[in-house]
Amino acid sequence: DTEVTQTPKHLVMGMTNKKSLKCEQHMGHRAMYWYKQKAKKPPELMFVYSYEKLSINESVPSRFSPECPNSSLLNLHLHALQPEDSALYLCASSQGSGWEETQYFGPGTRLLVL
Amino acid sequence: GNSVTQMEGPVTLSEEAFLTINCTYTATGYPSLFWYVQYPGEGLQLLLKATKADDKGSNKGFEATYRKETTSFHLEKGSVQVSDSAVYFCALRRGFGNEKLTFGTGTRLTIIP
Repeated sequence: DTEVTQTPKHLVMGMTNKKSLKCEQHMGHRAMYWYKQKAKKPPELMFVYSYEKLSINESVPSRFSPECPNSSLLNLHLHALQPEDSALYLCASSQGSGWEETQYFGPGTRLLVL
Repeated sequence: GNSVTQMEGPVTLSEEAFLTINCTYTATGYPSLFWYVQYPGEGLQLLLKATKADDKGSNKGFEATYRKETTSFHLEKGSVQVSDSAVYFCALRRGFGNEKLTFGTGTRLTIIP
């Protein structure tokens, strides 16, 4: 089973709201990722957690705050977003080490900021 | 730095036609190469991968061979179906462990009956 789940599927929020995106995997993977995908573009990496520690932050604005409470769960906390942050947010996970590393993606959360 | 160049789309083919989507890469060392597919309104699904030169990845009738001499990883399928309509992304990962994926721009494929 290579399933990564994400909730919610869709989210609409105002610029003053606080919301969270959730990602879960039960494959025993130790690396988890957040990507942002705008329409007709490839995904762009935002954050990487490796063994529950933040290992890569691709200079993402502080209005996006990731959290990894345990090895199966990854959250993305959203606060004071801008309309240009509207996008598909994808979570992925991978084994966490080794040359055979493969990232498996979830279905995404489609976010609209009004 | 690392980069992936994909065939410009969109590509429109008739059902049962032969498909090739070109992908070339620039990277130092020995990257792993991937094809991901994204169906409308969905996330990315791993289609196939290859981790060393001359490896052939295959899945669901799709194939791609890791050619180090031409730095290419072209995607092929002998007979496409309407259900293959999607966006296809070529990607590479250089190095070990949780290194980031570098994606191509994506190729939108439409198959008409």
